Amino acid sequence: TQLLEQSPQFLSIQEGENLTVYCNSSSVFSSLQWYRQEPGEGPVLLVTVVTGGEVKKLKRLTFQFGDARKDSSLHITAAQPGDTGLYLCAATNAGGTSYGKLTFGQGTILTVHP
Amino acid sequence: DAGITQSPRYKITETGRQVTLMCHQTWSHSYMFWYRQDLGHGLRLIYYSAAADITDKGEVPDGYVVSRSKTENFPLTLESATRSQTSVYFCASSEILARGYNEQFFGPGTRLTVL
Repeated sequence: TQLLEQSPQFLSIQEGENLTVYCNSSSVFSSLQWYRQEPGEGPVLLVTVVTGGEVKKLKRLTFQFGDARKDSSLHITAAQPGDTGLYLCAATNAGGTSYGKLTFGQGTILTVHP
Repeated sequence: DAGITQSPRYKITETGRQVTLMCHQTWSHSYMFWYRQDLGHGLRLIYYSAAADITDKGEVPDGYVVSRSKTENFPLTLESATRSQTSVYFCASSEILARGYNEQFFGPGTRLTVL
């Protein structure tokens, strides 16, 4: 079972600041996803990255997949209070039959203060 | 409306009782999953299903039973609830995309408290 480590676990910043969340493993992934979860709701998919070195942008969010496909980062520019939530990375094992199973990191709780 | 629903949203039960959490999806997705979410552990997979009548264990299956007689439903049963099963339970569904990865769609969750 691959282990996904997210850091930091908690992040409390002021509106307008930039931040980066990291997701690391010793295993190679076939794909990696980032989800965002708000209190009382289920996680919602933000992005999927599948190619080593891939960079995807979603408005003020930039997602990067490591060249070796073992790590990923989420960077938020000029954070807003609406960005507050739990951010989860999730990965699909490389090779084998995974039946679409995802392994999740433990999450990063982001709080953006006005 | 299309989507994935869970019921009940909140449940309080006592140790030793049987509890069933329901999950229903309208997309006809092949794959369905049950997770539990606990502080510090993220989401942990309990059981998953690749199709009707095909189920398999995930990371933390002990004390849980699933069935999938119809594609759209995937109930999770706690046969004899224990306090350690107090958690928030999420159901998800997906299809496998061409490159082998999937995008999972989650229900709103069921908050279960075992006294």
